[in-house]
Amino acid sequence: KNQVEQSPQSLIILEGKNCTLQCNYTVSPFSNLRWYKQDTGRGPVSLTIMTFSENTKSNGRYTATLDADTKQSSLHITASQLSDSASYICVVSDRGSTLGRLYFGRGTQLTVWP
Amino acid sequence: EADIYQTPRYLVIGTGKKITLECSQTMGHDKMYWYQQDPGMELHLIHYSYGVNSTEKGDLSSESTVSRIRTEHFPLTLESARPSHTSQYLCASSELASGGARDTGELFFGEGSRLTVL
Repeated sequence: KNQVEQSPQSLIILEGKNCTLQCNYTVSPFSNLRWYKQDTGRGPVSLTIMTFSENTKSNGRYTATLDADTKQSSLHITASQLSDSASYICVVSDRGSTLGRLYFGRGTQLTVWP
Repeated sequence: EADIYQTPRYLVIGTGKKITLECSQTMGHDKMYWYQQDPGMELHLIHYSYGVNSTEKGDLSSESTVSRIRTEHFPLTLESARPSHTSQYLCASSELASGGARDTGELFFGEGSRLTVL
């Protein structure tokens, strides 16, 4: 069964600290993995997209890694800010967007305290 | 910033009412989607479209219907709303990628429509 599991379910950190969110998937065949940030009451916004051949990608203070062999990804947030408080969603595609299906994780709810 | 818009952002209605959630995008994307999201849960695909006059049901069964008469519009309609329809509805769009190995089909979401049926 194709699934995407994220951990932890929720996380609280202090402003300025780093954190790492995890995503494990069983989706096969694998096409790409995406991380989205969703602020409360808003739509998800793309942070990174990685294909099979990419094992790391950065977007400012966000760095995503991908290990296609172990089917694991992580999202590392550096020097957290209050505005980083949001749900972070891992999404895996089993093919390109034309024919592929997207599998969504339930997200990790990150809260950054001052 | 994505150019995809949803209205209304919030809607509270009584049981049995007909509602239409509007979704418009100005990016010329062929593929559009409707997702349903409940608190703490993953997004579930309820409808999608490959282009004008194309509509398909998604993975999650839904009593809603959609239409795609114009590329930029993808409205969702509930003929008779019930409390079980209370949820967040997210519209999204993407380019119809050629299917090449590096095509990722970036997905752009609207801000969502929060529906509450009393």
